Amino acid sequence: DQQVKQNSPSLSVQEGRISILNCDYTNSMFDYFLWYKKYPAEGPTFLISISSIKDKNEDGRFTVFLNKSAKHLSLHIVPSQPGDSAVYFCAAKPGTASKLTFGTGTRLQVTL
Amino acid sequence: EPEVTQTPSHQVTQMGQEVILRCVPISNHLYFYWYRQILGQKVEFLVSFYNNEISEKSEIFDDQFSVERPDGSNFTLKIRSTKLEDSAMYFCASSVTVGYDYGYTFGSGTRLTVV
Repeated sequence: DQQVKQNSPSLSVQEGRISILNCDYTNSMFDYFLWYKKYPAEGPTFLISISSIKDKNEDGRFTVFLNKSAKHLSLHIVPSQPGDSAVYFCAAKPGTASKLTFGTGTRLQVTL
Repeated sequence: EPEVTQTPSHQVTQMGQEVILRCVPISNHLYFYWYRQILGQKVEFLVSFYNNEISEKSEIFDDQFSVERPDGSNFTLKIRSTKLEDSAMYFCASSVTVGYDYGYTFGSGTRLTVV
């Protein structure tokens, strides 16, 4: 039961351009969403989050957009840098629950 | 920056053996978690631990698994009798709270290989 889906397993973007990573969810109880970045042989690193009372949250080059009616969120990285090359995971949870449900990840490659 | 420390980074064990994976969460964090990632699959929740007891666990976390906070700093995951399908990266995480506007901090993981 894939409650959090990332339909693009990979994405390639040129340095300086925008990277857009997408995530869909099915569980209506989810109201807190997080993006993690993961390098090989390392644990996931928290990037940015958004709660359902907002539709946008920005932190430097990273912006997350939430469309509750479509149960869709996206992560925008502008401008993309080679160091952004990693696997990006979307995760979600209901309110103050402790369990995070992760998507399958999108491998982003930023090329020169 | 504070980090979650996991040891060992790689463990190889024979099927049927017991393994203990160790974690040192961030010192002021109150919630502790174990997740795992089988190769090529998504990160899956195993268990959360707060106030010296399990607060939530997944269907994966059966009687073969247990967690413990034996002292004020360590948090361990024990697998009593390992199976081949337990081979995965195991990530420990911790957080101050489970509320909004806070991301869990993950360790670098322990790669468990069951042969």
